[in-house]
Amino acid sequence: SAVISQKPSRDICQRGTSLTIQCQVDSQVTMMFWYRQQPGQSLTLIATANQGSEATYESGFVIDKFPISRPNLTFSTLTVSNMSPEDSSIYLCSVGGGNSPLHFGNGTRLTVT
Amino acid sequence: QQPVQSPQAVILREGEDAVINCSSSKALYSVHWYRQKHGEAPVFLMILLKGGEQKGHEKISASFNEKKQQSSLYLTASQLSYSGTYFCGTVSSNDYKLSFGAGTTVTVRA
Repeated sequence: SAVISQKPSRDICQRGTSLTIQCQVDSQVTMMFWYRQQPGQSLTLIATANQGSEATYESGFVIDKFPISRPNLTFSTLTVSNMSPEDSSIYLCSVGGGNSPLHFGNGTRLTVT
Repeated sequence: QQPVQSPQAVILREGEDAVINCSSSKALYSVHWYRQKHGEAPVFLMILLKGGEQKGHEKISASFNEKKQQSSLYLTASQLSYSGTYFCGTVSSNDYKLSFGAGTTVTVRA
């Protein structure tokens, strides 16, 4: 299974600032997925990052708030922009899905004060 | 659309059994099961593809009823290590996106 390195593992940020989360996979993958897990909640898909094209965002998530880069087949970044306390969550990148297991990075625990 | 999981929580003593259910209003391509321990990322347990198969992982098994769009996870002779939150994830036949249920928190006590 893919090994996914995600950083930072946690951060405390002030409202109005932005944080970029990095995700590195040890093998080439076509699609990478970014999830958000709010405290005590389930996992919600933010967007699908495809190499060479713009990310596909789910309902309720917009590019201006969560810009995503996918410069190659092993790397992606998610930026949480203009943060507010409501953005405090765990953000997870993942690969796989469909009829294959979904493997997650260790997550980024974000606290916005 | 998020699948519906039940129960929301269950408390077991070591050695007891439990069943977690997952249902969807959409036609399903596959069902995934994951377990998440506190402070950790979810870990894959198993996938069930349409065809009504059953699978097992240690003493944890699952079934998938394609016609009813339901899956059940069976925890047999539970161990302390089974504690955590279990999520089902469903992949619909329409868009192949994985949607997670709200989760079932399992607590196994000695």
